[in-house]
Amino acid sequence: QVQLVESGGGVVQPGRSLRLSCAASGFTFSSYGMHWVRQAPGKGLEWVAVIWYDGSNKYYADSVKGRFTISRDSSKNTLYLQINSLRAEDTAVYYCARPVGATAMDAFDIWGQGTMVTVSS
Amino acid sequence: EIVMTQSPATLSVSPGERATLSCRASQSINMHLAWYQQKPGQAPRLLIYGASTRATGIPARFSGSGSGTDFTLTISSLQSEDFAVYYCQQYNNWPPLTFGGGTKVEIK
Repeated sequence: QVQLVESGGGVVQPGRSLRLSCAASGFTFSSYGMHWVRQAPGKGLEWVAVIWYDGSNKYYADSVKGRFTISRDSSKNTLYLQINSLRAEDTAVYYCARPVGATAMDAFDIWGQGTMVTVSS
Repeated sequence: EIVMTQSPATLSVSPGERATLSCRASQSINMHLAWYQQKPGQAPRLLIYGASTRATGIPARFSGSGSGTDFTLTISSLQSEDFAVYYCQQYNNWPPLTFGGGTKVEIK
């Protein structure tokens, strides 16, 4: 079945780095733009970043621009989020999400279960 | 950036009653609006996209309406499994994609 599985979260000290992964299965990963969305504890959803189906375009939320890098490896059906210079306010569950159709900027019909990132000294 | 405002923040409803949730965009987003349901400890689930199209497997008691700046999610007869937090999201103007702050539907 169509599935997204995130990994790579954990407890990290401020200023350190982390790489999150999202393994996709059950669909043609290389045909879809992919997104990261995060949710701080007890808060709402915040869109983080998108990468086009072929990696040709990437966009970021202002709150993460310059510190986060989204990438993909279609040979491995995997999406990544490199997070540098971690801050306390980056503490959140990070979800990867797939849009409904081939248009990258769309509603998200497939979500992973999320991976928790906690930034704490 | 388009700001999405949801109201009310909390809605208390009895099972079997109708629930009406609102979402307003700070500028026109045409019909590029989605609604999600989220239960504690779970990922969001897509309910509605294109303002009024139900996602696969979503029961008919969920319906969406609106265009431009004002949108509504209606749950015609609340079931026990519908008590959750609901978010709207616009995907018309980007970046960024933006979500509303959420409406919690609780048991009255």
